[in-house]
Amino acid sequence: AQKITQTQPGMFVQEKEAVTLDCTYDTSDQSYGLFWYKQPSSGEMIFLIYQGSYDEQNATEGRYSLNFQKARKSANLVISASQLGDSAMYFCAMREYEAGTALIFGKGTTLSVSS
Amino acid sequence: GAGVSQTPSNKVTEKGKYVELRCDPISGHTALYWYRQSLGQGPEFLIYFQGTGAADDSGLPNDRFFAVRPEGSVSTLKIQRTERGDSAVYLCASSQRGPGETQYFGPGTRLLVL
Repeated sequence: AQKITQTQPGMFVQEKEAVTLDCTYDTSDQSYGLFWYKQPSSGEMIFLIYQGSYDEQNATEGRYSLNFQKARKSANLVISASQLGDSAMYFCAMREYEAGTALIFGKGTTLSVSS
Repeated sequence: GAGVSQTPSNKVTEKGKYVELRCDPISGHTALYWYRQSLGQGPEFLIYFQGTGAADDSGLPNDRFFAVRPEGSVSTLKIQRTERGDSAVYLCASSQRGPGETQYFGPGTRLLVL
């Protein structure tokens, strides 16, 4: 079974609009972390935001916020006021603190922002 | 400060050859990771170093893959007898102390095996 599922291969949004990128996860660990990374066409993975499984408040970093619903095992990324430079591939990832050391990534969602 | 750097940025080789990929982590980061990203997929874990030692090599696909980090800083991923299926982007990441912290990635090395 997939540990990280990103069901949207591609998303399209207009500049200045908000967009939500979906991520669901599967783990039996009680302690885990959820991450979002952005990968522009240049290839570098850029860290955006982190949410720990015990954090009660949703994480926010500037225009990025993470809508964490633990019971549903979802960790959606919300980008407010989209910009053209937000066009990229977005990956959701999980680290299971009991199970191992690796980040487990989803297959990604391509976001295209138009003017 | 400087981020994670990787060299070369691109490598083309022939099937059966040996290649080395280099990663220079963020200064002061003791933890270093290698991942492999195939086209259209998310990165997949290969190996994790804590200092000079490989703390977790469970992601290495077979014994043709080997990595070292002799002085606890720069790491080299070595692939022997390359196969066409090894073609991918090899990403290196580092974190300050360990896997509980955010991993920062380099730009990757695009390996093409002909």
